[in-house]
Amino acid sequence: AQRVTQPEKLLSVFKGAPVELKCNYSYSGSPELFWYVQYSRQRLQLLLRHISRESIKGFTADLNKGETSFHLKKPFAQEEDSAMYYCALRPYNQGGKLIFGQGTELSVKP
Amino acid sequence: DSGVTQTPKHLITATGQRVTLRCSPRSGDLSVYWYQQSLDQGLQFLIQYYNGEERAKGNILERFSAQQFPDLHSELNLSSLELGDSALYFCASSVSTNEKLFFGSGTQLSVL
Repeated sequence: AQRVTQPEKLLSVFKGAPVELKCNYSYSGSPELFWYVQYSRQRLQLLLRHISRESIKGFTADLNKGETSFHLKKPFAQEEDSAMYYCALRPYNQGGKLIFGQGTELSVKP
Repeated sequence: DSGVTQTPKHLITATGQRVTLRCSPRSGDLSVYWYQQSLDQGLQFLIQYYNGEERAKGNILERFSAQQFPDLHSELNLSSLELGDSALYFCASSVSTNEKLFFGSGTQLSVL
């Protein structure tokens, strides 16, 4: 089965605290994984793509094939990071569609 | 601005009615994807078109249909609407099937 699981619906932290948004996936092949961010029910924006291994807005994510995880991390959260975060999996050779997790709402308090 | 345009932004209609949602992809993008976002189901993939042809199908109801036209814009048709169809419908586009998806702002559908 192809599935993305984000176990936390809501994650609340204080400004300056470290953040880790969890993402686990179920996929039999080599996955392509993404993190998307959505501010206030606006359009989804690509945050990270695992093959790029880049850091956007201070966020990083490492693919751990052994634990089938792709957790999103940031060492020091900012108030403007408050948003919905979606982890997504792109199955190989299925047209390019993305399978999304249920999302985690990150709330960064002052 | 992602370059993906969706119209209308908001749509209010009654049960049993039919509506059409429109999506214009980014210039040069051949692939269009439709997603439904609801509070209980999250983001669900509905259907994908590539250069006019259906490429992948997800959890799309038989009451729903879509097409991609020669100018590459796409329409999602929802018929016999039910209260549960109320959701935010997103369109996304990409150059090809291996590239990044860019999302539109969505159409908020309210079925009363």
